[in-house]
Amino acid sequence: QVQLQESGPGLVKPSETLSLTCSVSGGSINNYYWGWIRQPPGKGLEWIGYISYTASSYYNPSLKSRVTMSLDKSKNQFSLKLASVTAADTAVYYCARDHGGWLQFDPWGQGTLVTVSS
Amino acid sequence: QSVLTQPPSASGTPGQRVTISCSGSSSNIGSNPVNWYQHLPGTAPKLLIYSNNQRPSGVPDRFSGSKSGTSASLAISGLRSEDEADYYCAAWDDSLMGVFGTGTKVTVL
Repeated sequence: QVQLQESGPGLVKPSETLSLTCSVSGGSINNYYWGWIRQPPGKGLEWIGYISYTASSYYNPSLKSRVTMSLDKSKNQFSLKLASVTAADTAVYYCARDHGGWLQFDPWGQGTLVTVSS
Repeated sequence: QSVLTQPPSASGTPGQRVTISCSGSSSNIGSNPVNWYQHLPGTAPKLLIYSNNQRPSGVPDRFSGSKSGTSASLAISGLRSEDEADYYCAAWDDSLMGVFGTGTKVTVL
């Protein structure tokens, strides 16, 4: 079955760029939408955005000016970049497959904690 | 920033039925399908209900979803101790963004 795995630095300095990659195994990146979701400590889930297999993307308006998502079909991976981070961006970041872009996320990666601190 | 409102908490004794509401608007729940997630601490969220009332393979039929107008509900019947978790609704909003609910913590007494 399809499995997702996030990877990237667990600690990022304020004002720098957070970069995460999600590796997809057991299935192709084609024909689906691929999303990023985060959960700050003690808070709820927040939709960051998604990128489709055609590389079209939609981002949360509150993050849009700082977010970039991309696909690498040759590696069956997709990525998230979040620029100019602050402590408010400290969260567990999840990648997930979205069936049709309707927030029908299944499966999810295990999540990775990213802490923003100097 | 969530535009889907859920009660912060819900509880019941084993065997009881618990219902969680999710209130939105015409631009999200009112015009797009609703999905529900179960989130246990330290694990990835799990898709529980999709397209308002559909259960993925492997999800017990104790879990059911419904939608009416701009609100949706998740019902858990025959409550079990392993159902103790956080539950989130989610939907696409026509303002071109995805939205999650505020989350509901279910406690089994």
